[in-house]
Amino acid sequence: EVQLVESGGGLVKPGGSLRLSCAASGFTFSSSTMGWVRQAPDKGLEWVSSISNSGSYIYYGDSVKGRFTISRDNAKNSLSLQMNSLRAEDTAVYYCATIRSNFVHTTNFDYWGQGTLVTVSS
Amino acid sequence: QSVLTQPPSVSAAPGQEVTISCSGSSSNIGNNYVSWFQQLPGTAPKLLIYDNNKRPSGIPDRFSGSKSGTSATLGITGLQTGDEADYYCGTWDRSLSAGVFGGGTKLTVL
Repeated sequence: EVQLVESGGGLVKPGGSLRLSCAASGFTFSSSTMGWVRQAPDKGLEWVSSISNSGSYIYYGDSVKGRFTISRDNAKNSLSLQMNSLRAEDTAVYYCATIRSNFVHTTNFDYWGQGTLVTVSS
Repeated sequence: QSVLTQPPSVSAAPGQEVTISCSGSSSNIGNNYVSWFQQLPGTAPKLLIYDNNKRPSGIPDRFSGSKSGTSATLGITGLQTGDEADYYCGTWDRSLSAGVFGGGTKLTVL
């Protein structure tokens, strides 16, 4: 059974940093394209970032480019999102998800974690 | 303002059929595959349709997807009260080099 478990969310002040992690199990993580999607309170889905299985191809949404860094550790079956210079508008539930494709250029987010809440507030 | 445009809400009676539209442009829907997601209240989204019209295993054939030009459509037949949820379309945008989602459509089964 595919399992994705996010952790690392919490309350952080504007300008602060947070590192989200996603522990993956039940599938061959090293072969899987992965991504992060977020959802602000009572708002729609927003694509954040995607990474190829090897980590060679990475894309970011304009709203997080230059501030967030996606990475993966295939040996540890783990996906991470380093978030710096956080703003109030980054407040959201962050979901880690597998991508049903060998390509990064897609929104075929197949399996999702339960999400972790990030709140940016003073 | 979302790159993809969906109606904010749709409604229909149990047993009936409903369609949800998703409008984009040549840089996104027009040249890339479309995905559809269902999000029940308080839960993570679930992939309903990928590559325009394919269903993952376990998704009933009551759900269907289609694409024409720069628009895509999700169809749901035999509506059930359990189908009440928010539905989102998504695709890749070549100009933005980014994933994009529609604003979401709230389905009410009356």
